[in-house]
Amino acid sequence: QVQLVQSGAEVKKPGASVKVSCKTSGYTFANFGVSWVRQAPGQGLEWLGWISGYNDNTIHSPKLQGRLTVTTDTSTSTVYMELWSLRSDDTAVYYCARDGIAVASPGMGDYWGQGTLVTVSS
Amino acid sequence: DVVMTQSPLSLPVTLGQPASISCRTSQSLVSSDGNTYLNWFQQRPGQSPRRLIYNVSNRDSGVPDRFSGSGSGTDFTLKISRVEAEDVGVYYCMQGKHWPQWTFGQGTKVEIK
Repeated sequence: QVQLVQSGAEVKKPGASVKVSCKTSGYTFANFGVSWVRQAPGQGLEWLGWISGYNDNTIHSPKLQGRLTVTTDTSTSTVYMELWSLRSDDTAVYYCARDGIAVASPGMGDYWGQGTLVTVSS
Repeated sequence: DVVMTQSPLSLPVTLGQPASISCRTSQSLVSSDGNTYLNWFQQRPGQSPRRLIYNVSNRDSGVPDRFSGSGSGTDFTLKISRVEAEDVGVYYCMQGKHWPQWTFGQGTKVEIK
């Protein structure tokens, strides 16, 4: 069965960086992409970025102003999200979710990770 | 950017009664391939979002048939025919037309009266 399993909670100081992993299984990694979504405490869902499982193409939300890096390790079918120059308003639960590979498709958001709480505090 | 507007934002419902959530978008979600990429998600308290409906009206595997989606263009609706206790949570619409940049509605909180 399809699974996306994320790394554990993190506590970081302002200005630091955080790297969250999302290990996928149960499907052909190269046939799908992965998107990252975050949810601040008590707030809604915000899309952050996407990466192809086939060729490492990425697209990021302009709201993150270049602070986001998304990478893959195809040998382990794992996707990584790294957020730099952390601020207090980056405190949120970060989710990975399966997505399409090159165009919009029924795969968008059909499976999600369990979420990783990132707390930014001095 | 496409703006997704849900209503109501809070929906108290009596068990066994129907519920309806509206999602209006600032531009048409009909894609050049003819599909309309509007999805609905349920987020139960303390859980990850779960997709219920994709492409306006297609139920995901395992989703009870009391959930249905409808609509076209810029106006979409999620209906629960008879609300059960396990349906409590927040429901989000999401557009995928401007893939890969997903945009979500603000969320509608469904609670039992």
